[in-house]
Amino acid sequence: DTGVSQDPRHKITKRGQNVTFRCDPISEHNRLYWYRQTLGQGPEFLTYFQNEAQLEKSRLLSDRFSAERPKGSFSTLEIQRTEQGDSAMYLCASGPSETDTQYFGPGTRLTVL
Amino acid sequence: QKEVEQNSGPLSVPEGAIASLNCTYSDRGSQSFFWYRQYSGKSPELIMFIYSNGDKEDGRFTAQLNKASQYVSLLIRDSQPSDSATYLCAVKAPGNTPLVFGKGTRLSVIA
Repeated sequence: DTGVSQDPRHKITKRGQNVTFRCDPISEHNRLYWYRQTLGQGPEFLTYFQNEAQLEKSRLLSDRFSAERPKGSFSTLEIQRTEQGDSAMYLCASGPSETDTQYFGPGTRLTVL
Repeated sequence: QKEVEQNSGPLSVPEGAIASLNCTYSDRGSQSFFWYRQYSGKSPELIMFIYSNGDKEDGRFTAQLNKASQYVSLLIRDSQPSDSATYLCAVKAPGNTPLVFGKGTRLSVIA
């Protein structure tokens, strides 16, 4: 098992552009989570999936953010019309539904200029 | 607003000492408690989880939970310089609820 992987690891974009990140979870995990983390803060929950169903989405998440997990395996997180305030580390985690444990990927660091 | 509070530190301990990291939470219905270690520039790594009141030991790490006091702690015995990192406490309520993280405590182990 190679763990959770994320792509890209770094992304620099200009304000107003759209970006998409990919997460590949640990294969036997049916839950997949997205978080955002800024400097000096803990990870902030964005959304999570159980298989292909999106079960929870943060009320703090603007309509510019969307996530999919079409076949219950990998997931994508898209941010439309990026703003400088979107600059952060975007973390993906996966875990089994039998427990609440979550294992994080390496993250995608987004910088919006 | 469900909150998880941690002292931001830095907490400095000499090599070989016991490091004690503390966390309080506001949601009395919380049922799952986690400690993650995060090195600078890296993602969080799960090191301990605890569901029941009392102590849970794993190697040099001991997690302690007191639900009545809404308090969870992490003890690191024989601290090593490689333990220097930020330690994140995370708490989860039952059902389809997310993990709520504290801001983390920065630990520095001095050789």
